Amino acid sequence: DPKIIQKPKYLVAVTGSEKILICEQYLGHNAMYWYRQSAKKPLEFMFSYSYQKLMDNQTASSRFQPQSSKKNHLDLQITALKPDDSATYFCASSQVQGAQDTQYFGPGTRLLVL
Amino acid sequence: AQKVTQTQTSISVVEKTTVTMDCVYETRDSSYFLFWYKQTASGEIVFLIRQDSYKKENATVGHYSLNFQKPKSSIGLIITATQIEDSAVYFCAMSPSNTNKVVFGTGTRLQVLP
Repeated sequence: DPKIIQKPKYLVAVTGSEKILICEQYLGHNAMYWYRQSAKKPLEFMFSYSYQKLMDNQTASSRFQPQSSKKNHLDLQITALKPDDSATYFCASSQVQGAQDTQYFGPGTRLLVL
Repeated sequence: AQKVTQTQTSISVVEKTTVTMDCVYETRDSSYFLFWYKQTASGEIVFLIRQDSYKKENATVGHYSLNFQKPKSSIGLIITATQIEDSAVYFCAMSPSNTNKVVFGTGTRLQVLP
């Protein structure tokens, strides 16, 4: 059974719209993260959460807002979508926050903005 | 700022042979953690192996092992007895101990041929 679920798998959106990417983990982890992978750049760290609190934000744009309704959920809301937002977004989790703990990745949501 | 560099963009080997993938990193931190992940053709990112900077012994997991040369800031991945299913993109990554962010390299595509 998948331990980290991301929904949807594929998403097509129009410029200017808003979308929410869903992430749920069933590993019992306390820290969750978002990363982005685009054709132009390697995997980039976006956010980290620990016990539902935002710990680190490396995303310059406020159009990206993580939302954590439960400890094992970390959704990503993206507003005013732009074609440059087209990428695969990966959710990850680790037992605890901190570099010493290995992060495990979900299957990703591939977003295409037209 | 931390940086991870993988200069080999693509490698092809014949199955059952050994392959080494290079990775060098930059950090000012005295303590950090190094990881290798692979990304399969389906896009799934799978954790393979890690090396803690304070450990002198090279990590080994299954047919994966690391060549950690701290003075050279180098962490090579060695895959022995390669199999067709090892074909994937391999990412080197680093996380300084004072952060929960993982910095990834650009990846090396490995093709294992019959």
